[in-house]
Amino acid sequence: QKEVEQNSGPLSVPEGAIASLNCTYSDRVSQSFFWYRQYSGKSPELIMSIYSNGDKEDGRFTAQLNKASQYVSLLIRDSQPSDSATYLCAVNDDTGRRALTFGSGTRLQVQP
Amino acid sequence: DGGITQSPKYLFRKEGQNVTLSCEQNLNHDAMYWYRQDPGQGLRLIYYSQIVNDFQKGDIAEGYSVSREKKESFPLTVTSAQKNPTAFYLCASSISPPGSSYNEQFFGPGTRLTVL
Repeated sequence: QKEVEQNSGPLSVPEGAIASLNCTYSDRVSQSFFWYRQYSGKSPELIMSIYSNGDKEDGRFTAQLNKASQYVSLLIRDSQPSDSATYLCAVNDDTGRRALTFGSGTRLQVQP
Repeated sequence: DGGITQSPKYLFRKEGQNVTLSCEQNLNHDAMYWYRQDPGQGLRLIYYSQIVNDFQKGDIAEGYSVSREKKESFPLTVTSAQKNPTAFYLCASSISPPGSSYNEQFFGPGTRLTVL
């Protein structure tokens, strides 16, 4: 059973700070990793994808992948109250069905 | 405007009824998926389809059925056999090129189903 683990939070950070969200996964052969943002009552929105070890930056977001340690993280710089949401980590299922396995999400609260 | 649409936004079902949730996409994506989300939990895969006229069960397919007669449409039926259907249902699609691990999935707005 593939597992994706996230701390449920809430993770509370002050406005302007760096928010660090972490995710670990159990399947060593996983190849693709995704971060989704989900506002309360809404559907998930893809914000980052990462496929190789290292860092990938997109605006205020940086995704970090370490396949040897089986973790992926998301950094949000200059956090804004509008970043307050649940962040879902998802891992590509490499069985051939090409579906994603999701963590249960980390709730982020950015305090003004 | 390209995107994924789901209808209805809210749906109420009586005990013993079958209901069908609609999912349509105009992104020309090959693969489509149905997930279920319960409060405070992640998404769980119900069914998926990688090409027209073909679909596979996901992790929690019991009590659900799907069809994929057209590339752009992937309706989900929640049958009376599904014992606890109250949840947020999310449809997604992806390009999913064969042999590639690229699998960015994009979601529709969701349907919130409540059993009365």
